[in-house]
Amino acid sequence: DAGVIQSPRHEVTEMGQEVTLRCKPISGHNSLFWYRQTMMRGLELLIYFNNNVPIDDSGMPEDRFSAKMPNASFSTLKIQPSEPRDSAVYFCASSLIAGRNSPLHFGNGTRLTVT
Amino acid sequence: GQQLNQSPQSMFIQEGEDVSMNCTSSSIFNTWLWYKQDPGEGPVLLIALYKAGELTSNGRLTAQFGITRKDSFLNISASIPSDVGIYFCAGFLNNNAGNMLTFGGGTRLMVKP
Repeated sequence: DAGVIQSPRHEVTEMGQEVTLRCKPISGHNSLFWYRQTMMRGLELLIYFNNNVPIDDSGMPEDRFSAKMPNASFSTLKIQPSEPRDSAVYFCASSLIAGRNSPLHFGNGTRLTVT
Repeated sequence: GQQLNQSPQSMFIQEGEDVSMNCTSSSIFNTWLWYKQDPGEGPVLLIALYKAGELTSNGRLTAQFGITRKDSFLNISASIPSDVGIYFCAGFLNNNAGNMLTFGGGTRLMVKP
């Protein structure tokens, strides 16, 4: 079975540029999550969607970050303009149902470097 | 936000040794999950625990959901080099906060052949 698919795997960009990260959740999963991982802060939840609707975006750092889920099989996380402190690994995850007993399945992440 | 205290932060052991790591919280959880992250990859689910007191095994891995619902441990028996990675505990709080999964800080395991 195909897992959560993220692209690109690596992104290197200059400060001020727009960055778009992409995610395809596991087919049939109704919840999608965007996480950011850094050495200092570990795994941080940025935003999650249930049935394509954003439910909680309180983890989004600031207005430079935005996420969309136009359909059940695709989501994007956009950073505009990017800054060096945005450098991190960004993970997308999906789960079957919007419930407490539904484990998250992670993609392999996008490693973002902003110079 | 809620915190999961995971310990130890890192371990450096000899191949063949057993490993034990744990997570504790001041809050009650109704689900505990254990993930492993290999370098350059995303966390992969190892074991899921749904009931207080539940003890579950997956090969050489054994995990338990604490009776108080505030802690969980993961044991790895007879470690091998491919066990190297970062192990995360995670849990769903016992409230109606929807799908909020809280992660521990991770235990970095290093195995010496």
